[in-house]
Amino acid sequence: GAGVSQTPSNKVTEKGKYVELRCDPISGHTALYWYRQSLGQGPEFLIYFQGTGAADDSGLPNDRFFAVRPEGSVSTLKIQRTERGDSAVYLCASSPSGRETQYFGPGTRLLVL
Amino acid sequence: AQKVTQAQTEISVVEKEDVTLDCVYETRDTTYYLFWYKQPPSGELVFLIRRNSFDEQNEISGRYSWNFQKSTSSFNFTITASQVVDSAVYFCALSEAREYGNKLVFGAGTILRVKS
Repeated sequence: GAGVSQTPSNKVTEKGKYVELRCDPISGHTALYWYRQSLGQGPEFLIYFQGTGAADDSGLPNDRFFAVRPEGSVSTLKIQRTERGDSAVYLCASSPSGRETQYFGPGTRLLVL
Repeated sequence: AQKVTQAQTEISVVEKEDVTLDCVYETRDTTYYLFWYKQPPSGELVFLIRRNSFDEQNEISGRYSWNFQKSTSSFNFTITASQVVDSAVYFCALSEAREYGNKLVFGAGTILRVKS
């Protein structure tokens, strides 16, 4: 079956702009996670959705970051007023519920100039 | 707070050598999960194994084996007879074992280079 997909694969933007990153989880997976991976580091947790609700957003670095999952499937991570420090790979993962193994997408590489 | 340490930043081996990647973790939870993921040059994290804290049996899958020791809080990963295709970044990770929302805490990763 199809795995987790993320679009775009690469995004280049200018400082101060708004960006949206999309994640399409594995069909039927109710749990969805966003992580951020900076160069040379392990992924860091941002936010977790169980169904449509953000059950844990403790990893979002500040209020410029926001994520939605309105129908319990596709999720969008939104970053306002981007800064150069936001440059990273943004990874999405899904699992059948909240307890099982997470399966990752290929990531979106964001570069803020 | 949970923490995962992968002290080996980079390891280089010659094909067919055995190699062990170290992972040490910290947690106050009595029940937790440990994971290994592989990140090849393509960038996608590939799941390798999940281990419950109650299960200390070592596991073998083909050329891969894992040694879990609660006494030393370690979950080491050994590749036997390494191959060039094993070249990747390997991440050890830890999560709580809650009913929902088991967010992963990753180590910094170990870069494995296998030379022919």
